[in-house]
Formats: sequence, C-alpha cells, structure tokens
Amino acid sequence: DAGITQSPRHKVTETGTPVTLRCHQTENHRYMYWYRQDPGHGLRLIHYSYGVKDTDKGEVSDGYSVSRSKTEDFLLTLESATSSQTSVYFCATNRDGNNQPQHFGDGTRLSIL
Amino acid sequence: GDSVTQMEGPVTLSEEAFLTINCTYTATGYPSLFWYVQYPGEGLQLLLKATKADDKGSNKGFEATYRKETTSFHLEKGSVQVSDSAVYFCALSDKGGGADGLTFGKGTHLIIQP
Repeated sequence: DAGITQSPRHKVTETGTPVTLRCHQTENHRYMYWYRQDPGHGLRLIHYSYGVKDTDKGEVSDGYSVSRSKTEDFLLTLESATSSQTSVYFCATNRDGNNQPQHFGDGTRLSIL
Repeated sequence: GDSVTQMEGPVTLSEEAFLTINCTYTATGYPSLFWYVQYPGEGLQLLLKATKADDKGSNKGFEATYRKETTSFHLEKGSVQVSDSAVYFCALSDKGGGADGLTFGKGTHLIIQP
C-alpha cells in the first residue's frame, strides 16, 4: 500500500541512547507523517513534512526531530530516548494533502528500558 | 482545536449481528472524515471516507454518512463476520489548506464471536 517501508520493525534500547527510525516510500508522495500510537490515545501526530527539507511540528513533537533530504525518505530521531517514548510508531504518506486519505506503513515497535 | 470522539470498547458482537460504532467530531472548518481499520500487527488501512455533508462512504459492506447537523460519522454494517474483528479509528482532516495530518479518535476494538 503506497510502497511504505518502515525500519526497523522492532527495537529495544536503553534510556539516554539516540534512536533513528526510517520511513521509505516508493510512490513519490509529497506529504509524509510520523505518528505514535499508545493505548487510550489513538494516534497522535509527531512531525510532518510537506516537501524535501520542509517539516513542521505536530501535537507531540517534544523530544523528537525529523529530517527529509530526499522525497522518498523521512527520518524520525529520538536524540536521547526516554521510557515515555516507548510506543508504536507509524509513518504515513499522501499525495496531495489534507483531503486525501493517508497511507500507512506497518509500524515500528520501540521499547525503551 | 479539532477533536474526534468514539467509543473505545471493546465491543463484542456475535457473527451476523448489526454493527454501529459512533463517531462525533469538533472542527473549526469543514473537514473530510475517514474510517480506518487496523488488524493485529499491521498498520492502518483506509476503510471509507466522505468529504462533504450528506456524503455516504461505503466499502466491504461498511457505510458511514457525513452528518454536519449532528457532527457525526457513525460506522455501520448490516451483518458482521469474524474477519471484521479489528480496531476501528475515526479520523478527520481539516480543510484549512495545510496538510498537517489527521486527527484521530482513540479507536474502537471490535470483537466478533462465531
């Protein structure tokens, strides 16, 4: 679905370490998004991108940074991971923006001990 | 800000029962509305959408009608199957012009028993 690949699919790491999650898409979609999914919260937007080198903050951006140097790749970095960032992270894309459905990757399960 | 409210469940039904999952929203503009489904271990898949008032979205026997007067987008299916067991998310995107992501409800866990 929209050729979205997230890597890694699972990761366990320790508090204070840096972590980078990668989202790769093959559909040349302009918009890309990072969400986190937590019980009782649904999905919440972390950061999004509306083009190469163009990014903006979402609802829960504290402690996260992103980069998009190529259309197909959107990286999410936790500079110093904390246990509160244990979650399932989803990447999504869409072609034209707001009124179009988003296509989701299969998620990355991140555990921070 | 925008928000979406839906029952969290779990909702447990017998096979062939009628399904309704309620969804109401608040938004400053005239949003597009979506239902997504998530099967265990997978990402979200678009189930159906509606982009303006009175539109009906439908797919795989599921339906939802965009009701502006009641700010609702309830999901219905006439006869559920065991394979419909999943988590269902109602979501909206504001037509404000910026593609700043979707606002999701908390999700409804649906369990269908044979």
